[in-house]
Amino acid sequence: AQKITQTQPGMFVQEKEAVTLDCTYDTSDPSYGLFWYKQPSSGEMIFLIYQGSYDQQNATEGRYSLNFQKARKSANLVISASQLGDSAMYFCAMGRRSNDYKLSFGAGTTVTVRA
Amino acid sequence: SAVISQKPSRDICQRGTSLTIQCQVDSQVTMMFWYRQQPGQSLTLIATANQGSEATYESGFVIDKFPISRPNLTFSTLTVSNMSPEDSSIYLCSVSTVTTGYEQYFGPGTRLTVT
Repeated sequence: AQKITQTQPGMFVQEKEAVTLDCTYDTSDPSYGLFWYKQPSSGEMIFLIYQGSYDQQNATEGRYSLNFQKARKSANLVISASQLGDSAMYFCAMGRRSNDYKLSFGAGTTVTVRA
Repeated sequence: SAVISQKPSRDICQRGTSLTIQCQVDSQVTMMFWYRQQPGQSLTLIATANQGSEATYESGFVIDKFPISRPNLTFSTLTVSNMSPEDSSIYLCSVSTVTTGYEQYFGPGTRLTVT
């Protein structure tokens, strides 16, 4: 079984500052991927970033970066230079290669950016 | 990334009725999935839509309640049968594209309310 844990139900961040969203996971499968999605109030799921378990470098996509610590089984998302439009729910998810990358999701973290 | 559309975007239905949700992708994709997001909750995988064969359901979901079709590589439907208020959720399809590897993209979702 695989489990994704997001311990921060909600966070506030000041505009232009950075915020780190925590995610830990549990799997015995050696080949897996970690995903972060953003869900605004409209309900759509927006893909942000992906990290493969064999990737040596931490993934980055614009203002998003993933702090991947494999030994600690953590995959924290860092959003730099927060903008008001970053206010949303953020989900961490994991998929295993042996399971066709079907995603298991964490409970999510609500981020509110203050002006 | 793939462009995914879902119909309807939202609906209000009477208990005991059924609703069919459509998912259309602008390119051929290898994997298509259906997820459910109950109010205030995270996403849960319902099933994998297999092209030309029966869908693969996750624990807790059955074909009689959630029949799925996938006649080709760009289209799938999910039917929510004999609805009850507990079926009120956002239903999302997702796809994993051949060209982008393991990234998964979601459709805009169908917001269903059962009264």
